[in-house]
Amino acid sequence: SQTIHQWPATLVQPVGSPLSLECTVEGTSNPNLYWYRQAAGRGLQLLFYSVGIGQISSEVPQNLSASRPQDRQFILSSKKLLLSDSGFYLCAWSSQNYTFGSGTRLTVV
Amino acid sequence: AQTVTQSQPEMSVQEAETVTLSCTYDTSESDYYLFWYKQPPSRQMILVIRQEAYKQQNATENRFSVNFQKAAKSFSLKISDSQLGDAAMYFCAYRSASGGTSYGKLTFGQGTILTVHP
Repeated sequence: SQTIHQWPATLVQPVGSPLSLECTVEGTSNPNLYWYRQAAGRGLQLLFYSVGIGQISSEVPQNLSASRPQDRQFILSSKKLLLSDSGFYLCAWSSQNYTFGSGTRLTVV
Repeated sequence: AQTVTQSQPEMSVQEAETVTLSCTYDTSESDYYLFWYKQPPSRQMILVIRQEAYKQQNATENRFSVNFQKAAKSFSLKISDSQLGDAAMYFCAYRSASGGTSYGKLTFGQGTILTVHP
């Protein structure tokens, strides 16, 4: 069966520090992968998606970047975090339906 | 671009009663999918129900059913016999069925917080 792993679950980082969130998928090959962000009390906004290794599309301009170094690995990064980067980040992969990771709660202080 | 609107920020229901959550969307496409997701306090996204636009029959999953009105671009969720465990944030979402760069992306509404009173 397909599973998706996302870590860490919770992260508190100071402003200006770097960020790396990792997501891996098991049980499928060449999945479409996505990073979403959810601000407090709001809906999910698509940040990045990838249809293959090294292929990244950005949906909104921002302080973050994404990479896909392996088929089933998707990484969300930042060189210098801003206060506005705080939020809940969800990784997902899709076939016919979506499967979401358990999310990372990021607080930038 | 597609948009999804949930006009009810909060709803409440008594346990064992029925509640309907509203969702409207805007699209120029004819083939797409619509979803309702549940997000409990754990914030895990849980698929509640899915509807294919080409199907006229409304989807049902146990106590959950939808009223899909394609011409009106409306997609409401009905929860029957509400249970305490149904309390959560509910999101309506749209996904294009066409290929290309838009394939697979979900567009979400802003969510409706559902409270269930014992």
